[in-house]
Amino acid sequence: AIQMTQSPSSLSASVGDRVTITCRASQDITNDLGWYQQKPGKAPNLLIYAASSLQSGVPSRFSGSGSGTDFTLTISSLQPEDFATYYCLQDGNYPLTFGPGTKVEIK
Amino acid sequence: EVQLVESGGGLAQPGGSLRLSCAASGFIFGDHHMDWVRQAPGKGLEWVGRSRDKVRSYTPEYAASVKGRFIISRDESKKSLYLQMNSLKTEDTAMYYCARVTPTVGGDDAFDIWGQGTMVTVSS
Repeated sequence: AIQMTQSPSSLSASVGDRVTITCRASQDITNDLGWYQQKPGKAPNLLIYAASSLQSGVPSRFSGSGSGTDFTLTISSLQPEDFATYYCLQDGNYPLTFGPGTKVEIK
Repeated sequence: EVQLVESGGGLAQPGGSLRLSCAASGFIFGDHHMDWVRQAPGKGLEWVGRSRDKVRSYTPEYAASVKGRFIISRDESKKSLYLQMNSLKTEDTAMYYCARVTPTVGGDDAFDIWGQGTMVTVSS
């Protein structure tokens, strides 16, 4: 199975900060990667698919990049509603695998 | 409105069985893969398995941790997805979500609609 790692596992940031989260796959997954946001007690929400495509309705401050094994989620200017846990998911090979998550907390 | 609603969670004993349901509405059910994802208390997300779309004959895929114990099926007439969980273990305790999978122009699969989840607790 493809292993997904994320860094950092958590971070503290202030409103208005630029935040970058990294996801790495144990083998080439081309662009078969999505990013999901989850708030406490809620279901995950799709932010980015195909590594860099913004899901409809998601604010443009979210962006994704990368291909192959290394991927990045960037929040250009952190907003109060962005404090949450973020997961990457590789969906190109079975079994599908999530990264362990990155918790973004208020500084 | 596009919606997924899970049900069937509850308390089960180790070695027991439970059947979860996911009722879909607002979209053509057979056009989409449908997946189960779970989350143990305080832990991350774990993919459980998939029922492929109608074109691919609804064939299933499973995570190694549930293969041979869980069965994914669907009823098109009821627009419902099911997760039959057998030989339950304490480590199966989790919130179980169903999710709609939509293919994208880029060839990637997007989990674009999620249910609210149903909680399964396996304990004696």
